Amino acid sequence: DVKVTQSSRYLVKRTGEKVFLECVQDMDHENMFWYRQDPGLGLRLIYFSYDVKMKEKGDIPEGYSVSREKKERFSLILESASTNQTSMYLCASSLSGLWGTEAFFGQGTRLTVV
Amino acid sequence: GDSVTQMEGPVTLSEEAFLTINCTYTATGYPSLFWYVQYPGEGLQLLLKATKADDKGSNKGFEATYRKETTSFHLEKGSVQVSDSAVYFCALLGAGGFKTIFGAGTRLFVKA
Repeated sequence: DVKVTQSSRYLVKRTGEKVFLECVQDMDHENMFWYRQDPGLGLRLIYFSYDVKMKEKGDIPEGYSVSREKKERFSLILESASTNQTSMYLCASSLSGLWGTEAFFGQGTRLTVV
Repeated sequence: GDSVTQMEGPVTLSEEAFLTINCTYTATGYPSLFWYVQYPGEGLQLLLKATKADDKGSNKGFEATYRKETTSFHLEKGSVQVSDSAVYFCALLGAGGFKTIFGAGTRLFVKA
């Protein structure tokens, strides 16, 4: 089975801190994604990557950056955390080149910025 | 751009009731359509999918049919169980695309 592992289930950080959220997948997927999930808003795409060192902005990239130095690892960085970034963050991965390929998700990181 | 609209929740049903969660989409071309489920405290997991018009996806008693003429992919189950209580997301992946587009999610509560 595909496994997508996020480094933390719960995080509490202070306003202004630099925050790193790590995600690792073990099935050699080309594509990796970071979403945030908020009540009533569903999942919104922050950034995605379709190859090592490649990254593309999603729908809400402001205040975030990403890093993909190895194929299996995709990091989300909050340069200066703010209270409006309190949310559930979900990492996902998928294969390229297949019709209807599904996304596999990690368990999520619930981040609270105080 | 592509989008997904699904019925707002929460939906509250008694055990063994019939479930329908409506989902409609807007997309160019021929997207693939998905239903994902999120159980409490977990990430999303694929429930079922359909990749072309008139396809029916099914899993764990849930079904959904890809209706291109009505741009819909409604989720149904004939008899829900308490263990089906979760949040359900309708989603699409555009033809040749990387990004899955999700609806806002519908929370289902099933009472014993």
